[in-house]
Amino acid sequence: DVKVTQSSRYLVKRTGEKVFLECVQDMDHENMFWYRQDPGLGLRLIYFSYDVKMKEKGDIPEGYSVSREKKERFSLILESASTNQTSMYLCASSSPGTFATNEKLFFGSGTQLSVL
Amino acid sequence: GENVEQHPSTLSVQEGDSAVIKCTYSDSASNYFPWYKQELGKGPQLIIDIRSNVGEKKDQRIAVTLNKTAKHFSLHITETQPEDSAVYFCAASRTYGNTGKLIFGQGTTLQVKP
Repeated sequence: DVKVTQSSRYLVKRTGEKVFLECVQDMDHENMFWYRQDPGLGLRLIYFSYDVKMKEKGDIPEGYSVSREKKERFSLILESASTNQTSMYLCASSSPGTFATNEKLFFGSGTQLSVL
Repeated sequence: GENVEQHPSTLSVQEGDSAVIKCTYSDSASNYFPWYKQELGKGPQLIIDIRSNVGEKKDQRIAVTLNKTAKHFSLHITETQPEDSAVYFCAASRTYGNTGKLIFGQGTTLQVKP
């Protein structure tokens, strides 16, 4: 089974702190994604990556950056955390499908981040 | 921009009844429509998907229908069981080769009462 592991289940940080959310997948997938999940808003794409050292902005990249130095690891960075970044963060990976790159995403269990 | 609207936001059914969740999308070029199920404390998991060249797809107790003209697609769960209780997300994507982003709906919390 594909496993996508997020380093923390719960995280509490202070406003202005630099926050790192880590994600590791064990299936040699080329594609990795970061989403945030908020009640009533569904899942919104922050950033994604098709390959090592490559990154693409999603729909809500402001206030975030990412790093992909190794194929299996994709990090989300909050440069200066703010209270409106309190949310559930979900990492996902996929392998390029026969149709497109966003077929069959495998998600981690999520990190609930609270910024106080 | 692209948008996916999902209804209802919550749905409660008796075990054994059917459940239907509906989504509409705004981008007429969308051609891929997956459904994800998120159980408590877990990440979403793909349960079924449909492409724009197909009108209906079924997998045991779940089925998805697509109406391209109306830009509307639905998830149907028959003979619901308590383990079907979860949050369900629809999504739509316009995909060309290696590109394309999934746009998710707002989610539906399904409760199946024993």
